[in-house]
Amino acid sequence: KNQVEQSPQSLIILEGKNCTLQCNYTVSPFSNLRWYKQDTGRGPVSLTIMTFSENTKSNGRYTATLDADTKQSSLHITASQLSDSASYICVVSAVGSGTYKYIFGTGTRLKVLA
Amino acid sequence: EAQVTQNPRYLITVTGKKLTVTCSQNMNHEYMSWYRQDPGLGLRQIYYSMNVEVTDKGDVPEGYKVSRKEKRNFPLILESPSPNQTSLYFCASSLDRGDSPLHFGNGTRLTVT
Repeated sequence: KNQVEQSPQSLIILEGKNCTLQCNYTVSPFSNLRWYKQDTGRGPVSLTIMTFSENTKSNGRYTATLDADTKQSSLHITASQLSDSASYICVVSAVGSGTYKYIFGTGTRLKVLA
Repeated sequence: EAQVTQNPRYLITVTGKKLTVTCSQNMNHEYMSWYRQDPGLGLRQIYYSMNVEVTDKGDVPEGYKVSRKEKRNFPLILESPSPNQTSLYFCASSLDRGDSPLHFGNGTRLTVT
């Protein structure tokens, strides 16, 4: 069964600190892995997209890594800001016979405190 | 501004009263899709469309209909809403179904009483 699991479920950190969010997946056949940021009451916004051959991708203070062998990804946030408070969703795309599916994790809720 | 627009943002209705949630994108995207988001379950795909007049079921299509008569519009129709369809709904679009990012609307919070 295709699954995406994220940890932790929630996280509280102080402004200026770094943090790392985890994503483990069992999706086949794998196409790409995406990280999205979802502010409360808004739609998710794309942060990074990584294909099988990419193992690191950055977007400003956000750096995603992918280990396709262990089927793990992480999202590292550097020097956190109050505006980083949001849910972070890991999404894996699977390509099958005539279908293209997105499998969503349940997200990590991050709270950054002043 | 490139965007996906959903209407309405909030909707309260009663069981059995047909409703439509509209979705429109101005980016000439081929791929459009609908999701529902429920606490603890993450986003689940309801229907998607690869192009005009091409639609297919996602993971939770029961109780929903869609149409894609024009490239920019992808309405979600609930013919006879039930309380278990109370949820937060998102429309999304992307250039194609490859490595392009999904662009999401800001959601429609539906309550069925």
